Amino acid sequence: GQSLEQPSEVTAVEGAIVQMNCTYQTSGFYGLSWYQQHDGGAPTFLSYNALDGLEETGRFSSFLSRSDSYGYLLLQELQMKDSASYFCAVRPNTGTASKLTFGTGTRLQVTL
Amino acid sequence: EAGVAQSPRYKIIEKRQSVAFWCNPISGHATLYWYQQILGQGPKLLIQFQNNGVVDDSQLPKDRFSAERLKGVDSTLKIQPAKLEDSAVYLCASSFRIVGHEQYFGPGTRLTVT
Repeated sequence: GQSLEQPSEVTAVEGAIVQMNCTYQTSGFYGLSWYQQHDGGAPTFLSYNALDGLEETGRFSSFLSRSDSYGYLLLQELQMKDSASYFCAVRPNTGTASKLTFGTGTRLQVTL
Repeated sequence: EAGVAQSPRYKIIEKRQSVAFWCNPISGHATLYWYQQILGQGPKLLIQFQNNGVVDDSQLPKDRFSAERLKGVDSTLKIQPAKLEDSAVYLCASSFRIVGHEQYFGPGTRLTVT
C-alpha cells in the first residue's frame, strides 16, 4: 500500500519562500505529483516529478528523492493568493497505472 | 476548452435517503475518476473508468455506492442509502490518457447527510 505524510499547517510571510514536505511509504510508483486546492475549490495540478531532482515551473519548484522517500514543493515570492492546501500524490506502478493516492495535505497560510 | 462540469454543487439529504451526482468530463478525455474528499483530508479514489469500462473500484463501498458511464462520456455516481459518514465533497476528474499524471478536477458536489 501507499501512505504519504505532510505537515498539517505552514505559515509564511508574503514575499518569502516556503517549502512543504512530503514523506511517503510505497512499494513503487511512477512519479510524485503536487496539487493546489483553495477552500471550496477544485484541486489543480501544479507539478510532477518522474525522476529524482528538481522541476521548476515559474514560482513553483518540486523535488523528489526516491532514495530518501521524500519530496517537497517550494514556493517562491509568496503571494496572498497562494494561501491554499497543497497535496502530494503518487501513482503506484502496481495495478491500475494512473490511480493517484493523495497525501494528507498541508494548509499554507500567507500573511502580510 | 471547457472544464469538468459537475452538478449539483450542493446537496443536503437525510440519512437513508438516496442521492445522485452527475459529471461531464473534458471533451476527449477517456479516463474519468470519482473521488471522495472528507473535510481536512486528501481526495480518495472511489472509482475509475476508461471509456465506459470500470478500471478500478476497489475503494467503492459497493453495498451503497454505484456509478456508471454508459456512453463513455458523462457519468453518474449514486449513493443509496446514505449514511452520516458519507458527508463529504465528491469530486469528478478526467484525464486524456489512462497513464496521464495530470488530472483535471471539477468543482465538486458538497454532500451533507443529516
